[in-house]
Amino acid sequence: QVQLQESGPGLVKPSETLSLTCTVSGGSISSYYWSWIRHPPGKGLEWIGYIYYTGSTNYNPSLKNRVTISLDPSKIQFSLRLSSVTAADTAVYYCARLAAGGIGHWGQGTRVAVSS
Amino acid sequence: QSVLTQPPSVSAAPGQKVTISCAGSRSNIGSNYVSWYQHVQGTAPKVLIYENNKRPSGIPDRFSGSKSGTSATLDITGLQTGDEADYYCGTWDSSLSADWVFGGGTKLTVL
Repeated sequence: QVQLQESGPGLVKPSETLSLTCTVSGGSISSYYWSWIRHPPGKGLEWIGYIYYTGSTNYNPSLKNRVTISLDPSKIQFSLRLSSVTAADTAVYYCARLAAGGIGHWGQGTRVAVSS
Repeated sequence: QSVLTQPPSVSAAPGQKVTISCAGSRSNIGSNYVSWYQHVQGTAPKVLIYENNKRPSGIPDRFSGSKSGTSATLDITGLQTGDEADYYCGTWDSSLSADWVFGGGTKLTVL
């Protein structure tokens, strides 16, 4: 059974860079789009971006200038970096495995607050 | 403003049926699979329907999905109080690049 687990700081200062890592267990990294999704308080789910197992990436146009997603196949991990954060980036961040038919596997989520 | 349009809220009594709609366009729903997710606050979203109408193992047949043209629907029959949650549709959007998009979410209240 595939499992995903997010890790990273729960508090980031404004203007700094948010960094999270997702560790995948129980499955291969091949043939899927490894994604980051967030849920800001009081709002809906927002897709941040994905990295395909080949290394190609695609980001939400609204976040594109600040987002980088990378993949470490040897560790079966992928990471999110979101620069120049503000209070609007406070959210629960999820990593997920995306395929053509939908998102079959999600991490449990990690809460990140942006505050000084 | 979400690319996919869902009603903000729906409600029905226990045992009744509810339908949640998801409206899109040719570049998203019209040309890609739709999936549905149940999100209870404080937990990870759970896939209820994938590839328009397929249920993962463990999802009861009270949940069903369909797609027609540029719209999709999620039906929930035999409502239970445990079904109270936010529900999201999702699909690919190929208008500019292969983006993933969610609907704005629908809050289901079981009266």
